[in-house]
Amino acid sequence: NAGVTQTPKFQVLKTGQSMTLQCAQDMNHNSMYWYRQDPGMGLRLIYYSASEGTTDKGEVPNGYNVSRLNKREFSLRLESAAPSQTSVYFCASSEGLAGERGTQYFGPGTRLTVL
Amino acid sequence: EDQVTQSPEALRLQEGESSSLNCSYTVSGLRGLFWYRQDPGKGPEFLFTLYSAGEEKEKERLKATLTKKESFLHITAPKPEDSATYLCAVQAGTGGSYIPTFGRGTSLIVHP
Repeated sequence: NAGVTQTPKFQVLKTGQSMTLQCAQDMNHNSMYWYRQDPGMGLRLIYYSASEGTTDKGEVPNGYNVSRLNKREFSLRLESAAPSQTSVYFCASSEGLAGERGTQYFGPGTRLTVL
Repeated sequence: EDQVTQSPEALRLQEGESSSLNCSYTVSGLRGLFWYRQDPGKGPEFLFTLYSAGEEKEKERLKATLTKKESFLHITAPKPEDSATYLCAVQAGTGGSYIPTFGRGTSLIVHP
C-alpha cells in the first residue's frame, strides 16, 4: 500500500498563476482533508470531504477550491496564487470522522512557493 | 472556541534524559485526542489515540496519558532518533463536525 500520495512534491509559481495539487489514497478511506502548515502556525484545515460527493470549508478556505473526484482522489486548486499561499500543503485521509475512525493518515506534502 | 495548546514549544534533551510533553485542551465533549510525530520534510505520522480520562497507551519509549484537561507524552530514556516535532490534535464531539484541531507542536531534539 502506498498510503496517501501527493503530487507535485515541490512547485514554484508566480503571483496570479493557477495550479492544482493532487492527492490520492489507497486505503479505501471515506474522508479526506487538505491542510496547510506554516512556521509557528501549526496545521490549519483548508477543506475536507467527509465522504465521496461532499466537501466542506475548514478554517482557511479563502483562495482555494477542492474537488472530490472519486473515493480515492481529492484535489486542491489555487485559481490565482498569492505570496500568502506560500506554504507546505498536506493531504490526509481517514476511515471516517468520529473517534478511532477519525485517525488521519498524511501524505508527504507539497512545498509551494509563490513569488 | 475549542483550543489546543502544546508546551513547551521546543525541548532539548540529552540521550537517556526522560521528560514529558504537554497538550492542554478546552473542548466540549472530547471525542478523541491524537498524538502524531512529524520528521523534518515529512507528513505527520500517527502515534496514539486516547478517548477517556485515565487512559494510557505505550509504544517503545513513548507513553501517552489523558486527563480531563490535558494529555502528556512521556519519553523514557530518549534516543537521538526520537528527535522530531510531536503534534497533538483534539476531536470534539458536540456541535461540531468532529474534525480534529491541531496544536502547534513541540520540537524535540535529543543530543547523543
